[in-house]
Amino acid sequence: GAGVSQSPRYKVAKRGQDVALRCDPISGHVSLFWYQQALGQGPEFLTYFQNEAQLDKSGLPSDRFFAERPEGSVSTLKIQRTQQEDSAVYLCASSASMHNEQFFGPGTRLTVL
Amino acid sequence: AQSVTQPDIHITVSEGASLELRCNYSYGATPYLFWYVQSPGQGLQLLLKYFSGDTLVQGIKGFEAEFKRSQSSFNLRKPSVHWSDAAEYFCAVNNNAGNMLTFGGGTRLMVKP
Repeated sequence: GAGVSQSPRYKVAKRGQDVALRCDPISGHVSLFWYQQALGQGPEFLTYFQNEAQLDKSGLPSDRFFAERPEGSVSTLKIQRTQQEDSAVYLCASSASMHNEQFFGPGTRLTVL
Repeated sequence: AQSVTQPDIHITVSEGASLELRCNYSYGATPYLFWYVQSPGQGLQLLLKYFSGDTLVQGIKGFEAEFKRSQSSFNLRKPSVHWSDAAEYFCAVNNNAGNMLTFGGGTRLMVKP
C-alpha cells in the first residue's frame, strides 16, 4: 500500500523556466488536491480534481499555473515562466471521496533562482 | 470566507510536560476540523479530525482535541510530550463542499530534554 508520491522531490529552476511537478495519488482515490506551502507558512489550496474533472482552480495564483489529471489518476502541476515568488513546497493530497481524510505526499520543494 | 488562526508560532515544552496548542476558526456553518503534524522533509500526517458528535476526539500518538463551538476553538492537547513530538502542527478546516482545506499558519513545537 504505497502512499501518495511526488516527483521530483527537489527542483531548482532559473527564473523564466517552465517546470512540471508530478503527483501519483493512492490507487483508487477519486479526489486529488494541490497545495502550495511557502516557507514558514501553512499550506494554501491551489486546485482540486474529482477523477479527471478539475472542479475548483480558484487557488491558482496566476495563469502561469496549470494542472491536469487526464486519466483520473496521475496529476501534473505545471508552472510556466517561473518567478522567484513561486519558490515553495508544492504538496499533493488524495482522498477516497469528498469529506474523507486527505493523504499528503512528501511534497516537491521548488527553488527559483 | 473561512479562516484558521493559530496564535502561537513557537512553543517549547519540557519532555513529559503537558501540551496545548491553540486553534481558532472562522466559519459560518458547522466545520469539519483537523489537526495535522509535519516533520522536517515530510508530508502532512493526520492526527485527528472532528466531523460531528462527541466534541472530544481522540487521535493517534496520544493526542486529543476538543471542539468548542461557543469559542470557535479546536485546541490540541497531549498529557505528556515525548521528544519525538517535536514538529510543526497545523490546524485546518474543511468547507461545506468538502473539498479544499484551509490551514492555519502552524505552531512549531520544540521539546526540551
